[in-house]
Amino acid sequence: GENVGLHLPTLSVQEGDNSIINCAYSNSASDYFIWYKQESGKGPQFIIDIRSNMDKRQGQRVTVLLNKTVKHLSLQIAATQPGDSAVYFCAENMGSGGGADGLTFGKGTHLIIQP
Amino acid sequence: DTAVSQTPKYLVTQMGNDKSIKCEQNLGHDTMYWYKQDSKKFLKIMFSYNNKELIINETVPNRFSPKSPDKAHLNLHINSLELGDSAVYFCASSPRFEETQYFGPGTRLLVL
Repeated sequence: GENVGLHLPTLSVQEGDNSIINCAYSNSASDYFIWYKQESGKGPQFIIDIRSNMDKRQGQRVTVLLNKTVKHLSLQIAATQPGDSAVYFCAENMGSGGGADGLTFGKGTHLIIQP
Repeated sequence: DTAVSQTPKYLVTQMGNDKSIKCEQNLGHDTMYWYKQDSKKFLKIMFSYNNKELIINETVPNRFSPKSPDKAHLNLHINSLELGDSAVYFCASSPRFEETQYFGPGTRLLVL
């Protein structure tokens, strides 16, 4: 299958700053995108999702932006806190293609919050 | 009130053994999944199970077999364990196929 990839494997930001994690996807048929957060020793935790008929969605301190023209997805975290330190994954769903590969994960970005 | 639970959390075993990992979800979801996460944190889907329909990722060896006694459970049985099977295995569930998936805490398997 096609890959969902991340531009930066590690991102270090100062506490209180905003952070942006980027993700590129290559399958234009994907219609649903999800960001997950995985803390050390835990399973991935759902953060926010977005469907392909939208270009922006906001949650609590997080915003996901979708640019279908360049097949780019980003996660913005406002006013980062120490608890935001984790590995962040983007994932895409290729819609009615079905199959066990209904959700394809990117490689992950490790976000480090500096005090 | 754990949503998706897995047992055991840690599993250390010898090469060639057969082992099972259990998964239960109390969310009333219709679809369950198994993922493998390697040492580089890469997550790859192994199986999805929806309304008694099993969909297998073709790259998964047939030594791996999921078994679902009911909608709330999807267990993973592994025969003839190999060193390369060492990884973290995550169970997940979603209300229906192709919707947001909720993950369990993972089972850390080490094959010696």
